[in-house]
Amino acid sequence: GENVEQHPSTLSVQEGDSAVIKCTYSDSASNYFPWYKQELGKGPQLIIDIRSNVGEKKDQRIAVTLNKTAKHFSLHITETQPEDSAVYFCAAVSGGYQKVTFGTGTKLQVIP
Amino acid sequence: DAGVIQSPRHEVTEMGQEVTLRCKPISGHNSLFWYRQTMMRGLELLIYFNNNVPIDDSGMPEDRFSAKMPNASFSTLKIQPSEPRDSAVYFCASSSSGSNEQFFGPGTRLTVL
Repeated sequence: GENVEQHPSTLSVQEGDSAVIKCTYSDSASNYFPWYKQELGKGPQLIIDIRSNVGEKKDQRIAVTLNKTAKHFSLHITETQPEDSAVYFCAAVSGGYQKVTFGTGTKLQVIP
Repeated sequence: DAGVIQSPRHEVTEMGQEVTLRCKPISGHNSLFWYRQTMMRGLELLIYFNNNVPIDDSGMPEDRFSAKMPNASFSTLKIQPSEPRDSAVYFCASSSSGSNEQFFGPGTRLTVL
């Protein structure tokens, strides 16, 4: 089955700096890569996603890149703000249905 | 829309007791997922329903766990008998056909003493 590894497990940045979270996946059949943000006491919420036919996608301060050959994908948050503090999960989706394999999560702390 | 609704939000029970977690997916969504989240194992998919039919239950840890979806607006996850190692946050998520985005509920924090 699919295996998703995520690094780092914790990340502290100063407000205004950039944050980068990296993931690798094992199943070359995976074709959809969502990123979820989980705030304390809440369920994960989709913030951005990318499909395997695209190398990069950007939405305001958030961008995601995908390298299919290397099976790497990354989340980039620019101009970080305190409200970006949360746990971020990468995921890979494969198969005929929406089976999602999540990474282990990155706890991001943005220091004001 | 109220989003995915889960109940109870918190459950504390003693080992050996039966536990039932409930989920109401977003109206119109035809896919429903149950996940378990722990510090050690992260987010794990337990079971996936499509149009009320279980499609993949390979993540259900053992026979003590069972899930049902009697109609499009309700699903249950039951643990009988419960054990301390079942302590976790259980999430329900739903999605619509043609979309990969899953909408998660607020979760049920289960503590088995």
